[in-house]
Amino acid sequence: NAGVTQTPKFRVLKTGQSMTLLCAQDMNHEYMYWYRQDPGMGLRLIHYSVGEGTTAKGEVPDGYNVSRLKKQNFLLGLESAAPSQTSVYFCASSYWGNTEAFFGQGTRLTVV
Amino acid sequence: GENVEQHPSTLSVQEGDSAVIKCTYSDSASNYFPWYKQELGKRPQLIIDIRSNVGEKKDQRIAVTLNKTAKHFSLHITETQPEDSAVYFCAPNQAGTALIFGKGTTLSVSS
Repeated sequence: NAGVTQTPKFRVLKTGQSMTLLCAQDMNHEYMYWYRQDPGMGLRLIHYSVGEGTTAKGEVPDGYNVSRLKKQNFLLGLESAAPSQTSVYFCASSYWGNTEAFFGQGTRLTVV
Repeated sequence: GENVEQHPSTLSVQEGDSAVIKCTYSDSASNYFPWYKQELGKRPQLIIDIRSNVGEKKDQRIAVTLNKTAKHFSLHITETQPEDSAVYFCAPNQAGTALIFGKGTTLSVSS
């Protein structure tokens, strides 16, 4: 089992460019989450999904969109990147809402 | 939504001392209370959790205690070692809701 895998691991974008981060899990988990982590700010929830075809906004959703077309994949999109979106992004998944969450290795995104 | 606060934000101890981190939450419906550890440059990982029908759980040097009435739970680390240095996060939650983390506590253990 690979667990939770994020693609890519590193990326540099120019302001205004778009990109998609892919999160894949092979544990048949229902719940998936996207977080951003900035120094001193902890893990802030961007969007989450409680099942295939569903998505919901988290604490900091502005500037991001998500899709969960397949149960194993959760995509995070930046339509027009801004320097304020420079961060480390973590994907996580859990079997149910009140069970252990497993994290991907993180994606370091820099917007210049 | 859940409002989660952790205290302290930073904690420095000498090797062998005990460390306690407290997490307070607002949603009385929360029924799952985990603690995650994130080492520098790594992903967060679960180290211990407790459910609402249990008051305390212990796993070797770490323990979690829960006070549902007061809506807080705490992480206890005894006989701290340098490898315990990390950021610790709490994330009280329940099924069907967003998984919100506290802002984290940076623990430094000096030898």
